[in-house]
Amino acid sequence: SYVLTQPPSVSVAPGQTARITCGGNNIGSKSVHWYQQKPGQAPVLVVYDDSDRPSGIPERFSGSNSGNTATLTISRVEAGDEADYYCQVWDSSSDQVVFGGGTKLTVL
Amino acid sequence: QVQLVQSGAEVKKPGASVKVSCKASGYTFTGYYMHWVRQAPGQGLEWMGWINPNSGGTNYAQKFQGRVTMTRDTSISTAYMELSRLRSDDTAVYYCARAYYYGSGVHLEYYFDYWGQGTLVTVSS
Repeated sequence: SYVLTQPPSVSVAPGQTARITCGGNNIGSKSVHWYQQKPGQAPVLVVYDDSDRPSGIPERFSGSNSGNTATLTISRVEAGDEADYYCQVWDSSSDQVVFGGGTKLTVL
Repeated sequence: QVQLVQSGAEVKKPGASVKVSCKASGYTFTGYYMHWVRQAPGQGLEWMGWINPNSGGTNYAQKFQGRVTMTRDTSISTAYMELSRLRSDDTAVYYCARAYYYGSGVHLEYYFDYWGQGTLVTVSS
């Protein structure tokens, strides 16, 4: 089965740029989606189809995907961005959804 | 506006079954697949499967094959997820999530654009 690998944690100071990676075999050939989850809340979509933003999501959130790594980039990080972030793909060969293990973003 | 409202928290004993509901509003229920995702305490998201509310067709994650049943009642725009033979490690928050499809043909993809609020299922003797 397809596996997505994320770093367990990323720390960044306010105003800096956070980069959260999602590794998978030839992930660049798949569409990657990113979700933000704050404690006690349901996940919220922040980036879809590698780099598109849903309405209402700040332009500070962006994504890229190439080769074996997809990346969620959060520019000008704010305290309110502190959350868990999950990448997700659909493995069409098995018709199974796969989530990464999640990355806890800490704003110092 | 789109809303997915789930049933309340449940406490079950090992070996029992639980059925969680997810009532949809604000869109055509039969037009979007509904998925179920769970999250054990302090853990990540785990996909369980989907149901096509139009046809009733289902697809379950291998891990849950034989233990999970997803159904729907189109008359009340509600999807259900039933998990049987519960174990302590089934203790988790269970979410329903609407799948939004885009693209076409071999480039058809989807993501989860709306989620329910989650239902805590506790399995304990």
